[in-house]
Amino acid sequence: DAGITQSPRHKVTETGTPVTLRCHQTENHRYMYWYRQDPGHGLRLIHYSYGVKDTDKGEVSDGYSVSRSKTEDFLLTLESATSSQTSVYFCAISDTGTGALGAFFGQGTRLTVV
Amino acid sequence: AQSVAQPEDQVNVAEGNPLTVKCTYSVSGNPYLFWYVQYPNRGLQFLLKYITGDNLVKGSYGFEAEFNKSQTSFHLKKPSALVSDSALYFCAVREVLYGNNRLAFGKGNQVVVIP
Repeated sequence: DAGITQSPRHKVTETGTPVTLRCHQTENHRYMYWYRQDPGHGLRLIHYSYGVKDTDKGEVSDGYSVSRSKTEDFLLTLESATSSQTSVYFCAISDTGTGALGAFFGQGTRLTVV
Repeated sequence: AQSVAQPEDQVNVAEGNPLTVKCTYSVSGNPYLFWYVQYPNRGLQFLLKYITGDNLVKGSYGFEAEFNKSQTSFHLKKPSALVSDSALYFCAVREVLYGNNRLAFGKGNQVVVIP
């Protein structure tokens, strides 16, 4: 799985608590992405980063924030978790320029908000 | 904005029969198209891509895809399906927003290969 590590792999948290998911890469790729996967919705982009400290919103960014202080790490934070954020979260990376190689995905983090 | 559509939620096929998973796209400019597969409790794995060149693209595990510009389609195919091909398949298109790359995914197709 192309040098991508997501942590934790599973987490159960209570409504209203903050949660941070981490994505770590060893490929030195410029682009990093956070997606959530839900039945009937496929993968939806939450946030992405195109460089250190350079991030932008995806299609479902409300309730999420991200940070990228180093090339290798991309953090996704749920400031106050809600049950609607129960999902499987995937991190992905891709190369620079045209993104012609597509993206490589981590193993996913299964988050349950109770 | 770029988008992809995968019109079927589930595709059932008998083992040994041809498998087709459909994808249509909408892009401005030249399309960069991808297929990914997801096995249970795993991340997505890259299968193949179309960037330019031959319309028939060959990828991993015996899969291929045909790019059809006039029909804006990029259907995934396999001549003879295996039970182990049962998985979730995603079509994706690269979109460029303000000079930055993103991938937009379809909703996915569950493929069930029946022994």
